[in-house]
Amino acid sequence: DGGITQSPKYLFRKEGQNVTLSCEQNLNHDAMYWYRQDPGQGLRLIYYSQIVNDFQKGDIAEGYSVSREKKESFPLTVTSAQKNPTAFYLCASRRDSITPVGNQPQHFGDGTRLSIL
Amino acid sequence: GESVGLHLPTLSVQEGDNSIINCAYSNSASDYFIWYKQESGKGPQFIIDIRSNMDKRQGQRVTVLLNKTVKHLSLQIAATQPGDSAVYFCAERNAGGTSYGKLTFGQGTILTVHP
Repeated sequence: DGGITQSPKYLFRKEGQNVTLSCEQNLNHDAMYWYRQDPGQGLRLIYYSQIVNDFQKGDIAEGYSVSREKKESFPLTVTSAQKNPTAFYLCASRRDSITPVGNQPQHFGDGTRLSIL
Repeated sequence: GESVGLHLPTLSVQEGDNSIINCAYSNSASDYFIWYKQESGKGPQFIIDIRSNMDKRQGQRVTVLLNKTVKHLSLQIAATQPGDSAVYFCAERNAGGTSYGKLTFGQGTILTVHP
């Protein structure tokens, strides 16, 4: 099946520890995105990548890092600098990052829930 | 409609009724709008979208209406079913600049369908 796979589903972080969340897509999509969702709130953009080997900060990038070495993969590292990491993290992808017209919604994975030990 | 803070708007309906979920968007330059459905513990699922050069679009049991004059978007669900119970988000797309394709999400509306 084509889709977006996030792993693990649940993750626990100790104080001072970096953790990495995985996001893989087999949709051959160019663009990939990471969002954070807090209870009762909408999604906030952390980082996004429009093409391999390129990525940009979103609205809340502090304390996070990403890489885009392969088209299908966009891992997110939550560093120890992120003081409030407990949240639901969602990865999304979009077919074409350049073409401005047409119906190109972002498609989401099923998320990783990160908690602090 | 949408609201700020931790208290999401809620809508409760009986099975079989029609539901209308509203969203006020912020950017008059947004050119594309999407409705997503999110069930508990899952990622948002695409429902329907609409471009800014349209004011209505229909899908299976769903209709999206766009009023650009008052920057208002609505999602109508016909013959609502218990499986429609979820949080519904609207999203608007930034139409220009280096942030092209970036979505801004509303805070969501909780829909509860009673059998």
